[in-house]
Amino acid sequence: AQKITQTQPGMFVQEKEAVTLDCTYDTSDPSYGLFWYKQPSSGEMIFLIYQGSYDQQNATEGRYSLNFQKARKSANLVISASQLGDSAMYFCAMREVNNAGNMLTFGGGTRLMVKP
Amino acid sequence: GAGVSQSPSNKVTEKGKDVELRCDPISGHTALYWYRQSLGQGLEFLIYFQGNSAPDKSGLPSDRFSAERTGGSVSTLTIQRTQQEDSAVYLCASSPVRQGNRDEQYFGPGTRLTVT
Repeated sequence: AQKITQTQPGMFVQEKEAVTLDCTYDTSDPSYGLFWYKQPSSGEMIFLIYQGSYDQQNATEGRYSLNFQKARKSANLVISASQLGDSAMYFCAMREVNNAGNMLTFGGGTRLMVKP
Repeated sequence: GAGVSQSPSNKVTEKGKDVELRCDPISGHTALYWYRQSLGQGLEFLIYFQGNSAPDKSGLPSDRFSAERTGGSVSTLTIQRTQQEDSAVYLCASSPVRQGNRDEQYFGPGTRLTVT
């Protein structure tokens, strides 16, 4: 089974509107971390936001917030007041604490396109 | 401060040749990771170093792939007898000493490998 699923291959949003990018995950590990990264056309991976499995509150970082629903195993990224510069690929990723490799497992990504 | 750097930024090689990709992590980061991203895909984990040792090599796709890290700093990913399916962007990331699950990874700009 896929560990990280992003069901929206592409999305459009009007500039200044909010958008939600979906992410569901699968793990039996009680301790894990969830990450969102942005990848513009230039290719670099930019860390956006982190949510720990034991965090009581949803994470927020400026215009980014994470809608964490633990029972549903979902960690959707919400971008408020979209800007043209938000157009990029967005990847959801997970690290499980019992993962000896400490690596991130990534979803397939969502391409977000912001319309002026 | 300086981020993760990778060289070369682009590499075109003929099928069957060996290639070396270099990663220079952020100073002081003890953990280093290699990932591979094929066109339009998410990231695939290759190998993880903690210091100079590699506790997890499970992601290396074949014995043609190897990596080393010296002095707890620079790492080299070597692909022997390259095949066309090796064509991808190879991304390196580093992170500081692990603190819980957060330990976000900082990515380099990647090396785009094309095997002709």
